[in-house]
Amino acid sequence: DPKIIQKPKYLVAVTGSEKILICEQYLGHNAMYWYRQSAKKPLEFMFSYSYQKLMDNQTASSRFQPQSSKKNHLDLQITALKPDDSATYFCASSQETGGARDTQYFGPGTRLLVL
Amino acid sequence: GQQVQQSPTSLVLQEGENAELQCNFSTSLNSMQWFYQRPGGSLISVFYNPSGTKQSGRLTSTTVIKERRSSLHISSSQITDSGTYLCALTSGGNYKPTFGKGTSLVVHP
Repeated sequence: DPKIIQKPKYLVAVTGSEKILICEQYLGHNAMYWYRQSAKKPLEFMFSYSYQKLMDNQTASSRFQPQSSKKNHLDLQITALKPDDSATYFCASSQETGGARDTQYFGPGTRLLVL
Repeated sequence: GQQVQQSPTSLVLQEGENAELQCNFSTSLNSMQWFYQRPGGSLISVFYNPSGTKQSGRLTSTTVIKERRSSLHISSSQITDSGTYLCALTSGGNYKPTFGKGTSLVVHP
């Protein structure tokens, strides 16, 4: 059974619309992360959360808002979508927020295409 | 300029050959991580190695802070090692990793 679930697997959106990417982990971890990978850029760290609180934020735009309704959930809301937002978004989790020290486990990703 | 540079960009090997992947960085280092991305896209943490040498099976990572480089050595490569290897460095106290563009490894039978 998959331990980190990301939904949907594929998502097509219209420019200017809003979407929510879902991430749930069943590893009992306390830290969760979001990363983005596009064809034009290397993998990018976006956010880290620990015990449902924001720890680090590398995303300049406020259009990207993480939402944590439960400890094992970290959704990503994206508003006013732009074609440049097209990318694969990976969710990850780790036992604690030791930063790089903690082994991170990644979800399968949500591939977003903005037209 | 780019903080993290990986070389080579791509590497093609015959099964059984060794691979040496390099990661050079231009900023101060707090931590260095290596990740493996399967051809299908899934990601796996491989090493956390801020300094010195660490080994796990056929994989060995060496980070030399003074020389601002980290390497990943794969011995006796296997077809299943094919994929992209990413290094990521963190500088400063926060966890905000900067990733390299990766080395694409293809191992042929």
